Amino acid sequence: GESVGLHLPTLSVQEGDNSIINCAYSNSASDYFIWYKQESGKGPQFIIDIRSNMDKRQGQRVTVLLNKTVKHLSLQIAATQPGDSAVYFCAERGGSQGNLIFGKGTKLSVKP
Amino acid sequence: DTEVTQTPKHLVMGMTNKKSLKCEQHMGHRAMYWYKQKAKKPPELMFVYSYEKLSINESVPSRFSPECPNSSLLNLHLHALQPEDSALYLCASSLSPGTSGSYEQYFGPGTRLTVT
Repeated sequence: GESVGLHLPTLSVQEGDNSIINCAYSNSASDYFIWYKQESGKGPQFIIDIRSNMDKRQGQRVTVLLNKTVKHLSLQIAATQPGDSAVYFCAERGGSQGNLIFGKGTKLSVKP
Repeated sequence: DTEVTQTPKHLVMGMTNKKSLKCEQHMGHRAMYWYKQKAKKPPELMFVYSYEKLSINESVPSRFSPECPNSSLLNLHLHALQPEDSALYLCASSLSPGTSGSYEQYFGPGTRLTVT
């Protein structure tokens, strides 16, 4: 069935290193993807999004890459900081009402 | 202002109680959502309101009753809940529910619900 999943449940990186969080999706018709950061006890916080007519989009210290051929999405965080420690979710637009289908999440831990 | 507010922050209720969760946004968004999130799991969609009308109900039990009094407010009425309903309940909003416009959803901080 349709699903959005993540390759790694946990990721530990050294402060200052770059982080890469991966996500696979199964619905080739998906036209919109979004990354959220969720810190403990808080709601998901928008990081960056990308439409299917793009391959790459950059924000402040973050880059999202979309490979439609293999149905793969990734989030790159440059110069990872302790404040980046959180669970990261990818999500795809589920339908015309804009509802999102979330992946399982990756917990990012940044070591000082 | 990209803020979605939710009250209360925490709620403990018995299985015979009736309570309500509230959500508010003043961004002019016309789509509002309720999600349920269990510990260490992703949010799962419950309901979608589009232009104050219920457009999606993800087969949610009737003990959860959503209400959208106006374009800025979204309520979730709770009655006769079960302990397994304990979770973080998240509200979100987006500009447009349709096929045009921004799909970005803004989430509130959630209500941590415990059913005893």
